[in-house]
This record gives sequence, C-alpha cells and structure tokens, in this order.
Amino acid sequence: QVQLQESSPGLVKPSETLSLSCTVSGGSVSSDNYYWSWIRQPPGKGLEWIGYIYYSGSTNYNPSLKNRVTISLDTSKNRFSLKLSSVTTADAAVYYCASVGGDCSTGNCQNWFAAWGQGTLVTVSS
Amino acid sequence: DIQLTQSPSSLSASVGDRCTITCRASQNISNYLNWYQQKVGKAPKLLMYAASSLQSGVPSRFSGSGSGTDFTLTLGSLQPEDFATYYCQQSYSTPFTFGPGTKVDVK
Repeated sequence: QVQLQESSPGLVKPSETLSLSCTVSGGSVSSDNYYWSWIRQPPGKGLEWIGYIYYSGSTNYNPSLKNRVTISLDTSKNRFSLKLSSVTTADAAVYYCASVGGDCSTGNCQNWFAAWGQGTLVTVSS
Repeated sequence: DIQLTQSPSSLSASVGDRCTITCRASQNISNYLNWYQQKVGKAPKLLMYAASSLQSGVPSRFSGSGSGTDFTLTLGSLQPEDFATYYCQQSYSTPFTFGPGTKVDVK
C-alpha cells in the first residue's frame, strides 16, 4: 500500500518560491501504475488540483497555476517535488501530495486520488 | 473547466439516519466522478470511484450512483465516524476539479 509524506517548509515569503517534496513508500515513482499529484486546500476552503507527473516525466498542470508551477521526479530518492514561484498570500494552504490510481480496462481511463499524504501547511508572510 | 456543485452544502443528521448528497456537473462527464471523505485536520480519503465503485476497505453503507451530470452519494445508516465533509471530484478532463463540499454534522 502506497504511503506518502510531504516535507514541511512552513513559512514562505511573498514573491519567493515555495518548494515541497513528497516521499513515497510502498511503491515506486518509476512505476507506470500511478501518476503523482499535488492538491492544495486554503484554510477553511475547498480542494484545488495543482497538477500531476507521470513516471516518464510528462506533466499536466492546472492552467490557473501553469506559469508558476513545476512538478518533478527524483527517482533516486523515490520522491516527487513541487515548486510554485512568485507566491502571494493567496497561495497559503495545506498542500497534499497524492497518488493517482486508475483503471483503463474499458479503453477510457478513469483516474482517482487513491492515497494522500497527511498534508503540510504553507504560510505566506514577510 | 468543468464545474461541480454539491447540495446541500451542509446537513445535520443523527446516528442511524440515511443521508443523500448530490453532485451536479456543468457538462456530461459520463461516470468520471469520485467521492472523498475529509475529517477535520485530516487528508481526504477516497470512498467511491467511477461513480459507483466502492473503494476497498470502505464500509458497504456507502453507495454511489449517477451518470452524465447528476450523481449521488448515499450513507445508508450514519455511524459516528461518518460525520465529516464530503467532496465529489471529476476526472473526465483536466484540470481535475472538486465540488465545494457537503458537511455532515450531528443534529
């Protein structure tokens, strides 16, 4: 069973780059069984998908963040990472990493967020 | 982007009650709809995928139905551990999007 654990940068200054990593256990980021995704949740609000990366390194980002976000893999450490540039207070949130499971048996692929990290709170303040 | 709405936004119920939550999509998403449960201070947990498939380990009192634009999550007999917020999420197209959530609390 895949388990995920986010790093905890805590506080980021406005205009700087937020950097998080997610360490995977019980599975490999090099496996074609999963995509690896980031999702965030501002305090007291709903969930926003940030993007995902496949084992091949291909990525898909939410257009609302696309110009500022980079997701990458580190296969040597079995982890994946998020960088979000030029942060503002609007980027303050709990950030979750998640594995994206799926089923392509019907020819059309279903995907879902199968396992989640515990989440890490990112505060944006000078 | 595909917009998801949920109703009600909150509901108060008692242990043993049957509860139904509705999720509506802004366009036809076939059965590309998942449901999650989130307890306070915790990460969301997958309950249902592909509209009606129960995730392994999730109690059978949870059920899902629907296709196209209208979906429901039913809690057959509410248990104390079921008080939480429930989110729907579409995987028909990216960007993946979530509904705003339905909070189920104690009456």
